Amino acid sequence: AQSVSQHNHHVILSEAASLELGCNYSYGGTVNLFWYVQYPGQHLQLLLKYFSGDPLVKGIKGFEAEFIKSKFSFNLRKPSVQWSDTAEYFCAVIPSTGGFKTIFGAGTRLFVKA
Amino acid sequence: DTGVSQDPRHKITKRGQNVTFRCDPISEHNRLYWYRQTLGQGPEFLTYFQNEAQLEKSRLLSDRFSAERPKGSFSTLEIQRTEQGDSAMYLCASSLGTSGFFGPGTRLTVL
Repeated sequence: AQSVSQHNHHVILSEAASLELGCNYSYGGTVNLFWYVQYPGQHLQLLLKYFSGDPLVKGIKGFEAEFIKSKFSFNLRKPSVQWSDTAEYFCAVIPSTGGFKTIFGAGTRLFVKA
Repeated sequence: DTGVSQDPRHKITKRGQNVTFRCDPISEHNRLYWYRQTLGQGPEFLTYFQNEAQLEKSRLLSDRFSAERPKGSFSTLEIQRTEQGDSAMYLCASSLGTSGFFGPGTRLTVL
C-alpha cells in the first residue's frame, strides 16, 4: 500500500538553528510531493510542492525541500528557524494517477524555543 | 472569498445523534475530496467526487457515513448515529487536476 513516513514526530529547536525534517514515501511510479504546515489553531497551508524539474524546490517563508528519487525521499529544510515556525508539518504524496487524492504522513510537531 | 469554505467550523454532539457538514469548493473546481484528521495523525482520505459522481470511497467510510454532491457544486457529509470515535477534524479539499486547496475543516466532538 502507498504510504508516507515522517521520521520525527516531535522536534524541539532553538531559534536560528537549522531544520531538516525527513520524509520517505513508498510508491513505485511518478509522484507529486508536498509539504503542508498547520499553525496552532489554523488550517492546512501549502508550504511547497514538487511536480517535476529541478529537484530542489523553494517554498514560502524560507523553506526548501529536495526530492531524491533514488531514496524515495523529500526532506524539508530551513537554514534558520524562527519562533513563528512552531507548527505541525505534514509531508504528502499524490501518485500520478490519483487526481488530488493525497496521502499524508503522520506529521512532525516542531517547537521553536525563543 | 475564493477559497474552500466549510460549515460549521465546530460541532459538538451527543453520541447517537446525526450530524451533517457542508463544503463549498472553489467554484471552477470539478473535484471535491473529504478527509478525516484525528489527533496526532495526518489527514486520511475518505471519499472523492468528480462533479456529482462519487468515484471513490475509503474503507474508513462506514455505512454510517454518507456524502453527496447533488449538483456538482457544494457537498455534504452526514454521519448517522455518531460514536465517540467519530470525533475528529473533517477536511474538505477541491481541485482541478492535481492542484488543489484545503478548507479550514469542521471539528466534530462527540460526547
